Amino acid sequence: SQTIHQWPATLVQPVGSPLSLECTVEGTSNPNLYWYRQAAGRGLQLLFYSVGIGQISSEVPQNLSASRPQDRQFILSSKKLLLSDSGFYLCAWSAFTIRGDTEAFFGQGTRLTVV
Amino acid sequence: GQNIDQPTEMTATEGAIVQINCTYQTSGFNGLFWYQQHAGEAPTFLSYNVLDGLEEKGRFSSFLSRSKGYSYLLLKELQMKDSASYLCAVRDSNYQLIWGAGTKLIIKP
Repeated sequence: SQTIHQWPATLVQPVGSPLSLECTVEGTSNPNLYWYRQAAGRGLQLLFYSVGIGQISSEVPQNLSASRPQDRQFILSSKKLLLSDSGFYLCAWSAFTIRGDTEAFFGQGTRLTVV
Repeated sequence: GQNIDQPTEMTATEGAIVQINCTYQTSGFNGLFWYQQHAGEAPTFLSYNVLDGLEEKGRFSSFLSRSKGYSYLLLKELQMKDSASYLCAVRDSNYQLIWGAGTKLIIKP
């Protein structure tokens, strides 16, 4: 069966510090990978998605970046965090089929607080 | 622009039935998803509709009308553990998921 791991679960970082959140998927090959951010009481905002190694699409311009160094690994990074980067970050994966993507499966999420 | 509308909050009684509505305006349509999200946790998949009509899964059912840009999630025999946010998401013509802000459902004994 497929599983998705995301860590850490919570993180408190000072303004201006770097960020690295990691996500890995097991039990499937060539998944579509996503990074979302969810502000309190809001829907999910797509930040980045990837359909393959080294292929990253950015949906929202910001000081965040994403990388996919391996097929089932997706990393969200920042060189210098802003207060506005605080939020709940979710990694997700879906599989591509001829009838379109499957539903998205989410990691446990990372609660990031920038202080 | 693309838009998904859901009520912000609903309250229901344990054992009762509740219907959560979702209306959407998107550039194309390739399916509608309902997810459940408990506070502080990740969303979990509940249902998927791509054709008009009702999909039933145990206590949960989801309905879709593409001509009206409308869906609802029906929860029967409510239990306290059903207290959560329910997210509606539409896959547009680019196969991107557009998410609603979610409906917080409060279940009272």
